[in-house]
Amino acid sequence: EAQVTQNPRYLITVTGKKLTVTCSQNMNHEYMSWYRQDPGLGLRQIYYSMNVEVTDKGDVPEGYKVSRKEKRNFPLILESPSPNQTSLYFCASNKGGTGDTQYFGPGTRLTVL
Amino acid sequence: SQQGEEDPQALSIQEGENATMNCSYKTSINNLQWYRQNSGRGLVHLILIRSNEREKHSGRLRVTLDTSKKSSSLLITASRAADTASYFCATPNAGGTSYGKLTFGQGTILTVHP
Repeated sequence: EAQVTQNPRYLITVTGKKLTVTCSQNMNHEYMSWYRQDPGLGLRQIYYSMNVEVTDKGDVPEGYKVSRKEKRNFPLILESPSPNQTSLYFCASNKGGTGDTQYFGPGTRLTVL
Repeated sequence: SQQGEEDPQALSIQEGENATMNCSYKTSINNLQWYRQNSGRGLVHLILIRSNEREKHSGRLRVTLDTSKKSSSLLITASRAADTASYFCATPNAGGTSYGKLTFGQGTILTVHP
């Protein structure tokens, strides 16, 4: 089954404790993205990747890192989480090109105390 | 305001009625996409309309696009309680090609009462 998976689905952590949210897709898609969703602000893109070792900032990259060492994986790293990073995070992938659509993971609900 | 803004922010209707949601955007596009999100879950793609199309149908969904007004509408006919969800429009980056960057509106929350 074609899908995007994220882990963990729920995470409660404390300020400053490094964490990684994993994302994996099995569709051989070139492009992958991370979004955060906050009430009243909609979905905002954090980072995206066009291929292995190629990443770029989205609209709200501060406080986040990403890496794309393999085509299928695109982890999101919070080196020193802060309470304002409490949010619902989504990973997405797409094959690229005009007229393309994105496939979303189920989401990771992160709470930073 | 952001590229891709939906109107209304919330819509409450009875089962069997039609639901219409609108989206406005600012920059030129080569396609516009609509997504659905059930509470707290990932978004699911519904339909894509290209800039050279004026109307597109998919089952009970009808999407229109007016590039002169930079607006789109999503019509759900004969709504069901299961249609209760948030609906988002999304546009690719300003250059028109999709390399993974989509800008989403804030969404319309649709509630369909049985």
